[in-house]
This record gives sequence, C-alpha cells and structure tokens, in this order.
Amino acid sequence: KQEVTQIPAALSVPEGENLVLNCSFTDSAIYNLQWFRQDPGKGLTSLLLIQSSQREQTSGRLNASLDKSSGRSTLYIAASQPGDSATYLCAVLQRASWGKLQFGAGTQVVVTP
Amino acid sequence: EAEVAQSPRYKITEKSQAVAFWCDPISGHATLYWYRQILGQGPELLVQFQDESVVDDSQLPKDRFSAERLKGVDSTLKIQPAELGDSAMYLCASSSPGTVNTGELFFGEGSRLTVL
Repeated sequence: KQEVTQIPAALSVPEGENLVLNCSFTDSAIYNLQWFRQDPGKGLTSLLLIQSSQREQTSGRLNASLDKSSGRSTLYIAASQPGDSATYLCAVLQRASWGKLQFGAGTQVVVTP
Repeated sequence: EAEVAQSPRYKITEKSQAVAFWCDPISGHATLYWYRQILGQGPELLVQFQDESVVDDSQLPKDRFSAERLKGVDSTLKIQPAELGDSAMYLCASSSPGTVNTGELFFGEGSRLTVL
C-alpha cells in the first residue's frame, strides 16, 4: 500500500528566505505527483503536477523536483512572502488507480514579516 | 471561472443526529469525488462516482455513510447517525472526462463538520 509522508509537519521562516518542503512515497510505480496549497478552512488548489517521466516542473517562484527511483519530491519556493503561509500537501497518483490520489498529511508553513 | 460548489460550509451537530452535504461539480465533469480530511491529516477518498455510478467506495463506512449522484450531476453525502469521530472537513472534487486518469481534480471549499 502506498504511503506518502511529509516532513516537517510545520515550518516557520522569515520573509525572503527560500522554502524547501519534502515529500516521500513508498511505491515508485506512480503516474504523477502533485503539490497542493490549502489555506485555513479552505479547499485545495493545485500548484504543480509532475509526470512520472519528468524530473522537475516550474511555475513562477515555485519549483518541484521528482526522483521516482528514491521515492522523493521536493517543493522549492523562492523568496518567501507572508502570502505563502498555508499548508502544502503532496499527492501521488498510482498507475491504473482511476484518478484516486494518495495524500500526505501536509507541511504547515508560516512566513513571518 | 467555474467552481465546485459545496454546502453547507459549516455544520455543527450533536452525535446520533443525521447530517447531509451537497456538492455541485463543474459543468461537464463526469467524475465526482468525496474526500474526508481530519484535522492535521491529508484528505482520504470516501467515494468516487463516474456519472451516476459508484467507481470506488471501499473507504466509505457504509453502516452510517451513504452517497448518491442520482442524475449524474450533483451529489449528496449523508451521515446517520453522526459520531464524534466524524468531525472533519468533507471535500468534494470533480474532474473532466479528459483528465480523470491524470489526477487533475478541482476541489470545492469544503464542508466543515463538528460533532458534539
């Protein structure tokens, strides 16, 4: 059974620092991996989706890498801002799972001014 | 921009009472998902519909939970009777026919349930 782990569970950084969020998964037979953002009491917004054949994906200040063989993904957020404060979740899609995502528990990020 | 609509946003109930949540997916999205997210945890799939048919309900506690999507559009998730451990955020998501196998889901704002 696929298990997705995110460490640390919480992170606090001063504004301007780069953020590094980690995600690991136990079964490398994935179709893709996504990073989501969740604001308190809200739903999930997809940030980046990396296909299993890709090594990284970039969008603005966000960059996500994927090392399928070692079961790891990292989300980098450059020059963090207070508006980046949120919980970040990673989710993997197993092959032949018909769209069923397996989520990690998330990393809660606080960026202090 | 099209959104997944959910109601109510918040529900407080006493244990043993019945509760219901409603979800209206993005127009044209044939696949609909109900996820449960307990505080501090990631979302867990409860039930998945393809049109009006259930594709996966393996994690749905069928003794107290039920879900339906009668006309293949909007959906209702019901809990009867509610228990303290049901306190969670209930998230609805949908995906279009072209992306159902890619994990590209659109989530609603969720319904927060508190059971006293």
